[in-house]
Amino acid sequence: EVQLVESGGDLVQPGRSRRLSCATSGFTFDDYAMHWVRQAPGKGLEWVSGISWNSGDIVYADSVKGRFTISRDNAKNSLYLQMKSLRTEDTALYYCAKDYYIGAVAGLLDFWGQGTLVTVSS
Amino acid sequence: EIVLTQSPGTRSLSPGERATLSCRASQSVSNNYLAWYQQKPGQAPRLLIYGASSRATGIPDRFSGSGSGTDFTLTISRLEPEDFAVYYCQHYGSSPRTFGQGTKVEIK
Repeated sequence: EVQLVESGGDLVQPGRSRRLSCATSGFTFDDYAMHWVRQAPGKGLEWVSGISWNSGDIVYADSVKGRFTISRDNAKNSLYLQMKSLRTEDTALYYCAKDYYIGAVAGLLDFWGQGTLVTVSS
Repeated sequence: EIVLTQSPGTRSLSPGERATLSCRASQSVSNNYLAWYQQKPGQAPRLLIYGASSRATGIPDRFSGSGSGTDFTLTISRLEPEDFAVYYCQHYGSSPRTFGQGTKVEIK
């Protein structure tokens, strides 16, 4: 059974940093690209970032480019999102999601975690 | 950036009725890389349809997708009680991977 478990969400002051983690199991992690998607309270889904199986291809939404860094550790079957210079508009539930296709950073998301909440407020 | 516009914002229907949801893209979606997701309150999204018309594993056949280019449709042939939820379309395969704003299907 595929499982994705996010952690690291918390109340953070504007301008500060936070690192999210996603522990995975139930599939061959280093075969697949992985993504972060967020959802502000009561709002829709926003794709944030994706990373290929070998970290060779990394893509970001314009809203986070230069502030967020996605990474992965295939030995630990884990995905990360380092967030810097956080803004109030970054407040959201952050989901980790697995790509459907082997290898490519397609962005078709077939398994999702339950999310970790990041609240940016003073 | 491809902007996806979903309509209507909310659809009020009764169980057993047919639901037709629309997703219009601001430019042509290459290779029909268009997906549909279902999200229920307090839950993560679930993949329903990919490639505009292919059902994901385990998705009942009352869900179907159609369309190409800039106009796509998700059809639920007969609504079951568990189908009342928010539905999102998404394009993938090129950056940024964008979602529509969602259509809520609520019980009438």
